[in-house]
Amino acid sequence: NAGVTQTPKFQVLKTGQSMTLQCAQDMNHNSMYWYRQDPGMGLRLIYYSASEGTTDKGEVPNGYNVSRLNKREFSLRLESAAPSQTSVYFCASSGPLYRDSLYGYTFGSGTRLTVV
Amino acid sequence: AQTVTQSQPEMSVQEAETVTLSCTYDTSESDYYLFWYKQPPSRQMILVIRQEAYKQQNATENRFSVNFQKAAKSFSLKISDSQLGDAAMYFCARLRGATNKLIFGTGTLLAVQP
Repeated sequence: NAGVTQTPKFQVLKTGQSMTLQCAQDMNHNSMYWYRQDPGMGLRLIYYSASEGTTDKGEVPNGYNVSRLNKREFSLRLESAAPSQTSVYFCASSGPLYRDSLYGYTFGSGTRLTVV
Repeated sequence: AQTVTQSQPEMSVQEAETVTLSCTYDTSESDYYLFWYKQPPSRQMILVIRQEAYKQQNATENRFSVNFQKAAKSFSLKISDSQLGDAAMYFCARLRGATNKLIFGTGTLLAVQP
C-alpha cells in the first residue's frame, strides 16, 4: 500500500546509545517531516525537509540529526539518547499545496521509543 | 509564536449525542489551512476534515462539521450522532503556508459513553 513506512515500531535504548529511525515514502512527495508526540504536548516538529537535499530545524531539534538520503527517505538519528527523548516519533510527507487540491499530509504509524 | 490552542484536554459525550471540540489559533497569514486529525489508540493519524481560510463556507464531512470563525481565529469541530468508534484523541492543526509545516494543538481526548 502507498504511504509512509517507519521502522522500527518499538525500541528501547539505554542512555547514551545511538540509533537511527528510518522513514520512506512512495508518494513522490517533496516534503518530509519528523515529529515527536508527548502527553499534553501534541505533536512537535523536530526537523523537516522541503525537498531532496535540504533540511531545516523545527521546534525541538536539540539532540537530533537528520538525513534526506533521496526523495523517498528521511532518517532521524539520536547520537546519544537521553531519557527526555522517550516519546512517540512520527514521520510524515506532503505534496505541493494548491488551492482546492487534494492536499494530503500522510503520516507513518509511529515509533515508540523508550530511553532508560 | 504562532500557536494552536485546544483548551479542553478531555471531553465526554453520550452515544448518538453531539459534541463540539474547541480550537483557537494565532497567525499573521491571510491564507492558510486548518485541519482536525483523529488519533485512535492504534496511534494512526487520520485526517477528519480540513478548511481553507479563503473559503467562507464551513467544511462538512458526513457527521463531522466545523465552525470556522476567521476574525475570531476559531475553528471548532462538531461531531453529530456520536459513535463508539469516535472515541480518540483529536488534534487541531494549522498549516503554515510558506513552509508546509503543520502546527498542532495539544489535543482533546474524547470519550464516548454507551
